[in-house]
Order: sequence, then structure tokens, then C-alpha cells
Amino acid sequence: DAGVIQSPRHEVTEMGQEVTLRCKPISGHNSLFWYRQTMMRGLELLIYFNNNVPIDDSGMPEDRFSAKMPNASFSTLKIQPSEPRDSAVYFCASSVTGGDGYTFGSGTRLTVV
Amino acid sequence: QKEVEQNSGPLSVPEGAIASLNCTYSDRGSQSFFWYRQYSGKSPELIMFIYSNGDKEDGRFTAQLNKASQYVSLLIRDSQPSDSATYLCAVNDNDMRFGAGTRLTVKP
Repeated sequence: DAGVIQSPRHEVTEMGQEVTLRCKPISGHNSLFWYRQTMMRGLELLIYFNNNVPIDDSGMPEDRFSAKMPNASFSTLKIQPSEPRDSAVYFCASSVTGGDGYTFGSGTRLTVV
Repeated sequence: QKEVEQNSGPLSVPEGAIASLNCTYSDRGSQSFFWYRQYSGKSPELIMFIYSNGDKEDGRFTAQLNKASQYVSLLIRDSQPSDSATYLCAVNDNDMRFGAGTRLTVKP
């Protein structure tokens, strides 16, 4: 298995631009999670899906952030408009619901200038 | 908000020593506990999970859980320089919440 695949690996964008991060979970995993990691706040859960349905989006910082999971093999996290404070590493992780731990993707390092 | 607390470190131990990493959690009803290792610039990787009170051993790693004290620990025996990383404690209650991590340095 190729693991959780995220794209792009790095993204540099100007303030005000739209950013879309992509994730392909491990085949057969039915739970998908989006995390953001910064030095100041550590690893924060933004939103998670079970069977493609958003379950808890209480971690999404504000309306500029949105996430979708149109099918079992693809999810997006969109920031519009982006701001410098959104600069962070964004991780996608997947698991079998109730399983033993999550598998993380390699992350997307986002820099908003 | 459920909380997971870790000493941020850094923790420095000599090669061959035992490294002890500690974690406390706020929700007494939590049932599943995990330790992840994260090398600099890399993603977290699962190294241990524990669900029952007591010890669980896997090679050089031992996870310890005390639900009455809401305390989880990770012991690394015969520490190696390759163990130098940040160790993240996590508690899973429908979703996984992480501590801030403890940076471990193993000096040759």
C-alpha cells in the first residue's frame, strides 16, 4: 500500500489567494482526519470524516477553512482567502474506525506570504 | 476541551540509558492511548498503543498506563541516537487528541 498520499508537499502562496490541499487515504480506511501543526500550538485536529461524512469540524479555525470528502478515496481542505497566520504543516491521516491508531501522510507545508 | 499534557523537554539521555517520557490526560473516561514518534520534518508514526492498565512491551519500548492516575508513560530501554525525535502522546475518544510532544535527544 502506498500509504496516505498528500499533495502538494510544499505550497507558497500570497495572502488572499485560495489554497487547496489534497489527500488520498489508505484503501479500506473509512475515517479521515485533517490536522494542522505549528510550533506554538502543536498538532491540532481540524475536522474528521467517517464514511465520507463530516463528523466534527469544531477545530476548523474559521469560515475561511472548508473541507470535503466527495468519495472514499479523496478529500480536500480549502483555505479562502489565505492569511499569513495559516502558515503551518497540514497533515491528513486515515484509519479504520475503532482501529489501532492513525496513519499520517507526509504533510503539506504551507507558507502564506 | 479534552487535554493531553506532556513535559515539553528537551530530555537528554546518554546512549544506552533508559528514556522515560510521561503524559497525563484530563478525561477520566478515555480508553485508548497512543505514542507516536516524529522525526524533524517528518510525519508522526505510531510506535505503541495501550488500552489496559499495566505495562505493554514491544522490543525496547514499554508503554505504561494507570487509568486511576490518568497517566501514561513510555520507556525506551538501551536508547540509541536514532531514537532522537519528538514523542507525541495521544488519547483517542472518537478522535485523536495529541499532547505538545517531548523532544528527546540521545547523546552518543
